[in-house]
Amino acid sequence: AQKITQTQPGMFVQEKEAVTLDCTYDTSDPSYGLFWYKQPSSGEMIFLIYQGSYDQQNATEGRYSLNFQKARKSANLVISASQLGDSAMYFCAMREFSNTGNQFYFGTGTSLTVIP
Amino acid sequence: DAGVTQSPTHLIKTRGQQVTLRCSPKSGHDTVSWYQQALGQGPQFIFQYYEEEERQRGNFPDRFSGHQFPNYSSELNVNALLLGDSALYLCASSVQGGHGYTFGSGTRLTVV
Repeated sequence: AQKITQTQPGMFVQEKEAVTLDCTYDTSDPSYGLFWYKQPSSGEMIFLIYQGSYDQQNATEGRYSLNFQKARKSANLVISASQLGDSAMYFCAMREFSNTGNQFYFGTGTSLTVIP
Repeated sequence: DAGVTQSPTHLIKTRGQQVTLRCSPKSGHDTVSWYQQALGQGPQFIFQYYEEEERQRGNFPDRFSGHQFPNYSSELNVNALLLGDSALYLCASSVQGGHGYTFGSGTRLTVV
């Protein structure tokens, strides 16, 4: 089974609008972390936001927030007030801290295009 | 403060050849991980090096090997290149046990 599933290959959003990128995960490890990365055409993976499995509140970092629904095993990224510079690939990732804590499991990504 | 530096940025090799990719970690980081990102896919974990030893390995054949030097920099070696090895190879550095990983911009390898 896939550890991370991103079902939206591509998304479009109007500038200044909010957009939600979906991510579901699969793990039996009670201690894990969920991450979102942005990858522009330059290739670098840019860290956006982190949510730990034991965190009670949803993580927020500026315009980014993570909608963490543990029972549904979902960790959707919400970008508010989209900007043209937000156009990029977005990857959801997970690390399982009890077992294979050293590696990230990445989804297949979502390509976000912000329309002026 | 320099981030993660990878070299070369682009590389073209012929099937059957060998290739070495290099990574200098972010200042203060002691652990280096390597990932392979095929076109249209998410990165896949190859292995991680800490204290000059391979600490964890993903599902990659022995043709993929690595090394970490005393200054924490690292090399990824791939032998007997296949067309399917064409990908973006990403290096990520971190402090052992920490959550913060910094990725480089990658080396784009094309095997012809």
